[in-house]
Amino acid sequence: DGGITQSPKYLFRKEGQNVTLSCEQNLNHDAMYWYRQDPGQGLRLIYYSQIVNDFQKGDIAEGYSVSREKKESFPLTVTSAQKNPTAFYLCASSIRTGRYNSPLHFGNGTRLTVT
Amino acid sequence: DQQVKQNSPSLSVQEGRISILNCDYTNSMFDYFLWYKKYPAEGPTFLISISSIKDKNEDGRFTVFLNKSAKHLSLHIVPSQPGDSAVYFCAASWVNRDDKIIFGKGTRLHILP
Repeated sequence: DGGITQSPKYLFRKEGQNVTLSCEQNLNHDAMYWYRQDPGQGLRLIYYSQIVNDFQKGDIAEGYSVSREKKESFPLTVTSAQKNPTAFYLCASSIRTGRYNSPLHFGNGTRLTVT
Repeated sequence: DQQVKQNSPSLSVQEGRISILNCDYTNSMFDYFLWYKKYPAEGPTFLISISSIKDKNEDGRFTVFLNKSAKHLSLHIVPSQPGDSAVYFCAASWVNRDDKIIFGKGTRLHILP
């Protein structure tokens, strides 16, 4: 059954600690994305990757880092430099079709709480 | 500055009636628009899309209308069903930037029995 798996569903960390959120897809999609959702807000793009070993900053990349060593994996590290890390994090993927990507397929998210 | 605006945070509609969700955008370069549906504690799922060369796209109970001159699109759900209760996000993207999709803040739809 193809899809995107994000783990864990809930994550708790102390302030000052780095934390890595996992995202794996078996859809054979080229592009992968990380979004952040805050209450009453739309989805804001953190990082995206269109091919392996390449990634680009989104609108709110500060305090985050990513890697794309394999097509199916796009982990996100929330560093201690991120000022407001508590949020709902969504990973997504899509096929690159040229003019437009196909619609995004999302995982079920990881809710990160930093205290 | 918000480029995609959903001005109604929530909407309540009687079951069986039509639900109309609205979305406005400011960037005239947007040429592809999407609607996503999201249940609590889940990721959004793609619902329907429309290219700027069209003014209407229909898929079952869901129809999206695009008014380019007004920079406005709407999603119609007919008839509304209990399972339609969710948050709906409007999103937009544009030529030469297929890597980015701009999302609105969402509208929470409540279907009343």
